[in-house]
Amino acid sequence: AQSVTQPDIHITVSEGASLELRCNYSYGATPYLFWYVQSPGQGLQLLLKYFSGDTLVQGIKGFEAEFKRSQSSFNLRKPSVHWSDAAEYFCAVQETSGSRLTFGEGTQLTVNP
Amino acid sequence: EAQVTQNPRYLITVTGKKLTVTCSQNMNHEYMSWYRQDPGLGLRQIYYSMNVEVTDKGDVPEGYKVSRKEKRNFPLILESPSPNQTSLYFCASSFIGQGVGELFFGEGSRLTVL
Repeated sequence: AQSVTQPDIHITVSEGASLELRCNYSYGATPYLFWYVQSPGQGLQLLLKYFSGDTLVQGIKGFEAEFKRSQSSFNLRKPSVHWSDAAEYFCAVQETSGSRLTFGEGTQLTVNP
Repeated sequence: EAQVTQNPRYLITVTGKKLTVTCSQNMNHEYMSWYRQDPGLGLRQIYYSMNVEVTDKGDVPEGYKVSRKEKRNFPLILESPSPNQTSLYFCASSFIGQGVGELFFGEGSRLTVL
């Protein structure tokens, strides 16, 4: 079965600084990969997804993620963080032949002014 | 407006009192799923449904039931709630195209069982 690990429970960055959130997955083949964001008191919103092809994918709100097969990673990045990016971020993995989505534990992002 | 609607948003109940959390989507999605969110554990899947009358267990199905009699609705039933079911619950839906991961989420239902 697939699994997802987000090593950082909580990250604090200053507004305007760059951001990288880590995600590692375990799966026998190349899975489908996703990043979701959850603002306080809200449901989750899809930021970006990777199915195949170009390993650098662009998402909404200026986010991007890079799939690295050799490292089983799908890290989320943003060049310059805004205060409104403070939220919890979830990485998720799905088997290409399956129907279940497995989420990581989440990374809470705090943005300092 | 495309949306997933859950009710109630907040509920406090007592052990053993049956309750239902409703979920409805207006996007004609085939796939619907329930998750519970607990601190430090992320989201864990309870049940999911690939289409009408097709449901299957997720990772933490114990103590829950679901039904999918209509495409748009996917209620979550707690027959005899216990305090360990105190949690934040999310319903989500998607098309079954290239996988089911492009989920649309409801706003969540916070359940407290005393």
